[in-house]
Amino acid sequence: GQQLNQSPQSMFIQEGEDVSMNCTSSSIFNTWLWYKQDPGEGPVLLIALYKAGELTSNGRLTAQFGITRKDSFLNISASIPSDVGIYFCAGYLSGTYKYIFGTGTRLKVLA
Amino acid sequence: DAGVIQSPRHEVTEMGQEVTLRCKPISGHNSLFWYRQTMMRGLELLIYFNNNVPIDDSGMPEDRFSAKMPNASFSTLKIQPSEPRDSAVYFCASSFEGSPLHFGNGTRLTVT
Repeated sequence: GQQLNQSPQSMFIQEGEDVSMNCTSSSIFNTWLWYKQDPGEGPVLLIALYKAGELTSNGRLTAQFGITRKDSFLNISASIPSDVGIYFCAGYLSGTYKYIFGTGTRLKVLA
Repeated sequence: DAGVIQSPRHEVTEMGQEVTLRCKPISGHNSLFWYRQTMMRGLELLIYFNNNVPIDDSGMPEDRFSAKMPNASFSTLKIQPSEPRDSAVYFCASSFEGSPLHFGNGTRLTVT
């Protein structure tokens, strides 16, 4: 099925470092979502973006809805060990009922 | 809010057996989605329902897979007969009118 391209696929970083990841699509979306998945659990919503150019923060997390509506970015500042997990982006186009998910970025934080 | 509830959490079965996965969406949500997650293919949408009606089942891999939503609070995903390549984590998710998806904790299926 259709998927979004996320990069990087995986990251190893030191505790305290900042993290950046992005998601790109060949299609435009009305909504971009970012989820985090911990081992053995389902993805949990982190941030939702509804307007091109929108910049939204949730604690140490900041996400942006790209101007072209074909991309989105997630930044994590001052990473901590509990940030470990898989981060997924998802795009949604109104009226389609479909949420298209990215391939995921696997984050590992070294203490 | 109890969230999306899936059962069982783990299922181990032998090839050829029937498997039924269950999902209770969040009360008030009118869209329900079944996803399959594997290392190789990531999160794949299998089927989604809107107001209990299947809207798109193009992601269902084969006729061995079927899904039902008899009412707004319950859905099943059935695999009959199961095969080892069906081993994966199956997620159910729900939403209301295009709001962000809420996922259950998944069912880890192992077919031997």
